[in-house]
Amino acid sequence: DGGITQSPKYLFRKEGQNVTLSCEQNLNHDAMYWYRQDPGQGLRLIYYSQIVNDFQKGDIAEGYSVSREKKESFPLTVTSAQKNPTAFYLCASSMISGIREKLFFGSGTQLSVL
Amino acid sequence: GDSVTQMEGPVTLSEEAFLTINCTYTATGYPSLFWYVQYPGEGLQLLLKATKADDKGSNKGFEATYRKETTSFHLEKGSVQVSDSAVYFCALSDRPGRGGSYIPTFGRGTSLIVHP
Repeated sequence: DGGITQSPKYLFRKEGQNVTLSCEQNLNHDAMYWYRQDPGQGLRLIYYSQIVNDFQKGDIAEGYSVSREKKESFPLTVTSAQKNPTAFYLCASSMISGIREKLFFGSGTQLSVL
Repeated sequence: GDSVTQMEGPVTLSEEAFLTINCTYTATGYPSLFWYVQYPGEGLQLLLKATKADDKGSNKGFEATYRKETTSFHLEKGSVQVSDSAVYFCALSDRPGRGGSYIPTFGRGTSLIVHP
């Protein structure tokens, strides 16, 4: 089945530690996105990528980094510079066309601080 | 910039009640409009969409009509079920990203709780 796989489902970070969240898709989509979800705040865009080896900052990129070495993969690193990382992180993908396409979402990663 | 405003939740209803979740938007262009649903512990799924004024999106008994004159896209269902309990997000897609795609903007989400 085609879809987006996020792992792990739960992740714990220690003080000063970098952690990486995985996102893989087999939908052959060009565009991939990372969103952060906090209770009552909806979804906020962290980074997005529309082509391999290229990515753009979203609205809340500080303290995060990404890479896009393969079309299928868009990992997100939460660095120690992100002082409030506890949140639910969602990865999404879409086709690129002249039509404003819907997003397909993974099932999310809950990150908590120890 | 683009923005989406949804009614605050939670919305609490009894089974078979009528549902309305309000959504209004601000956009500079001609956005497509979407409703997504999120069940506990999961990602979002597209519920319905509309791409131009006066279009009606519908799915699983839910409906929403793209109203350009009132910049609204309210979600409705005639008779809700316990299984409809979830968080509903209104979104628009009008913000061009570098590379040709459009970056969606989401509302804050509205939690729906349906009691038997």
